[in-house]
Amino acid sequence: GAGVSQTPSNKVTEKGKYVELRCDPISGHTALYWYRQSLGQGPEFLIYFQGTGAADDSGLPNDRFFAVRPEGSVSTLKIQRTERGDSAVYLCASSQGVAGSTDTQYFGPGTRLTVL
Amino acid sequence: DQQVKQNSPSLSVQEGRISILNCDYTNSMFDYFLWYKKYPAEGPTFLISISSIKDKNEDGRFTVFLNKSAKHLSLHIVPSQPGDSAVYFCAVVDSSYKLIFGSGTRLLVRP
Repeated sequence: GAGVSQTPSNKVTEKGKYVELRCDPISGHTALYWYRQSLGQGPEFLIYFQGTGAADDSGLPNDRFFAVRPEGSVSTLKIQRTERGDSAVYLCASSQGVAGSTDTQYFGPGTRLTVL
Repeated sequence: DQQVKQNSPSLSVQEGRISILNCDYTNSMFDYFLWYKKYPAEGPTFLISISSIKDKNEDGRFTVFLNKSAKHLSLHIVPSQPGDSAVYFCAVVDSSYKLIFGSGTRLLVRP
């Protein structure tokens, strides 16, 4: 079946602009996670959702970052007033069971964000 | 401070030989550990996991070993194949069930 998909695959923007990154999880997966991977590092947790609600947003670096999942499926990560330090690959993952479990997380290919 | 460390950024092995990738963690309360593999332009793919009640888990050519007293785990791939060339991430599940990743080890398997 279809895996996790993310759009766009690449996004180039200018400092100060607003961007939205989209994630389509595996159908039926109730838990959805966002991670950010900087060059030479492993993915770092940003936020996860159980259904429509943000169960844990402790990894969001500041209030310029926000994510929604209004219908419990697709999620959008929103970054306001982008900064060059936001440049990274943004990864989305979904898992089958309740968020907050050891269910395997399946990752999408990521969106590479470049802030000029 | 990094809670999960992969101290070898790269590893090169000959096809058919064993690859050993290492990972250290700092918190003795961690009790579930995973390895993910990542090819360029793709997301990480789950490879194998182990819980703290075991010290070994095997799946085909891949075996993960856990040494709780040393807070160390390792991934063994034998025999290594060129298609195994990728970046391997060690990860732990923290008390909030989030994944904490190491910085990765790039494995090159030479034909």
